[in-house]
Amino acid sequence: EAGVAQSPRYKIIEKRQSVAFWCNPISGHATLYWYQQILGQGPKLLIQFQNNGVVDDSQLPKDRFSAERLKGVDSTLKIQPAKLEDSAVYLCASSVYMGEQFFGPGTRLTVL
Amino acid sequence: GDSVTQMEGPVTLSEEAFLTINCTYTATGYPSLFWYVQYPGEGLQLLLKATKADDKGSNKGFEATYRKETTSFHLEKGSVQVSDSAVYFCALSDDGDSSYKLIFGSGTRLLVRP
Repeated sequence: EAGVAQSPRYKIIEKRQSVAFWCNPISGHATLYWYQQILGQGPKLLIQFQNNGVVDDSQLPKDRFSAERLKGVDSTLKIQPAKLEDSAVYLCASSVYMGEQFFGPGTRLTVL
Repeated sequence: GDSVTQMEGPVTLSEEAFLTINCTYTATGYPSLFWYVQYPGEGLQLLLKATKADDKGSNKGFEATYRKETTSFHLEKGSVQVSDSAVYFCALSDDGDSSYKLIFGSGTRLLVRP
């Protein structure tokens, strides 16, 4: 069974630029999560989707971050404009409802 | 709000030594507790879990017991191997939270030397 796929694996941008990350969850997983992991910290939930609806986006900085999950499968997370403090690993995870979360390899973002 | 606190690393051990990584939590509801592991260059993997008080989770020689009275979920292994070198994250999911999101500790890096 294929795992959670994410791309790109690495991205370097300058502050005030925009960037987008893509996630393809495990087939059949209705729930999709985006986490932000700053160096030296544990992952923090940014947004959670159930199919294509948002369940929790309380910690998403909505002035610069946006996410969508069209058709309830793939998801895109966007940052516009990026700040230095957005440098982190962005993790995507998926699960069946109330089930174990499976994580992708992450996208490491460096903002210069 | 809910939170997880785990011991700072790095923890450096010799092969076959006993491992303990401390984890305590604060939660308003009845959380499930987890240990995740992140090997170098890989994504987070679930190592073990416990869903109610006094449950013991175990996997690959690792164990952790859900202690409600001390709000703890310490990770232990009797004899570590070099291949256990990784970052270990304690996490909770509050069953009273409809999102079932995971709240993580800051991680503990384990380095096992031959």
